[in-house]
Amino acid sequence: EAGVTQSPTHLIKTRGQQVTLRCSPISGHTSVYWYQQALGLGLQFLLWYDEGEERNRGNFPPRFSGRQFPNYSSELNVNALELEDSALYLCASSLNIVGRGTPAKNIQYFGAGTRLSVL
Amino acid sequence: GDSVTQMEGPVTLSEEAFLTINCTYTATGYPSLFWYVQYPGEGLQLLLKATKADDKGSNKGFEATYRKETTSFHLEKGSVQVSDSAVYFCALRPHKAAGNKLTFGGGTRVLVKP
Repeated sequence: EAGVTQSPTHLIKTRGQQVTLRCSPISGHTSVYWYQQALGLGLQFLLWYDEGEERNRGNFPPRFSGRQFPNYSSELNVNALELEDSALYLCASSLNIVGRGTPAKNIQYFGAGTRLSVL
Repeated sequence: GDSVTQMEGPVTLSEEAFLTINCTYTATGYPSLFWYVQYPGEGLQLLLKATKADDKGSNKGFEATYRKETTSFHLEKGSVQVSDSAVYFCALRPHKAAGNKLTFGGGTRVLVKP
């Protein structure tokens, strides 16, 4: 079974440009999460999508946005790139079973990430 | 808000040494707790988990016990190998199913020398 796949693996952009990162979840998973791993800042939660809707958003400016498609794949868009956007962007997927005694099944599995360099 | 604190690295060990990485958390209720590992140039891999107090997660010789009384989830391995060199992240997920986002600690880099 394929894991979470992300594309591209590496990307170089210049300040002010726009970028789109892509993520395909594990088959059967409906939730997709985006995290930013910037040097020295650890892993920061960006966005959570489930069933095509944005469910939660981290403390990032509006130029970070995304969407989830009917096949549950997702895109992360970053507009007006800034130097500090240089980071590894990780996508994760999970089931999203809501109900008593089920949170243990909502484990997040991560892709290998997209490394974005902004020059 | 929720937070996770783990010991800063790097931690440098010799092969077959005992490894402990401390992790403490702040959260309401009973969060689920995780250890993820990141090998050089790769994404995160789930190492082990615990979803309720006194649960012990284990995998690949690593263990961690969910201690509600001390709000801790320390990672241990009795005999490390060079292949265990990686960055280890402690993380929590809120108790409520609707709060699915993970909150991570800062990561601990472990270097095992032959």
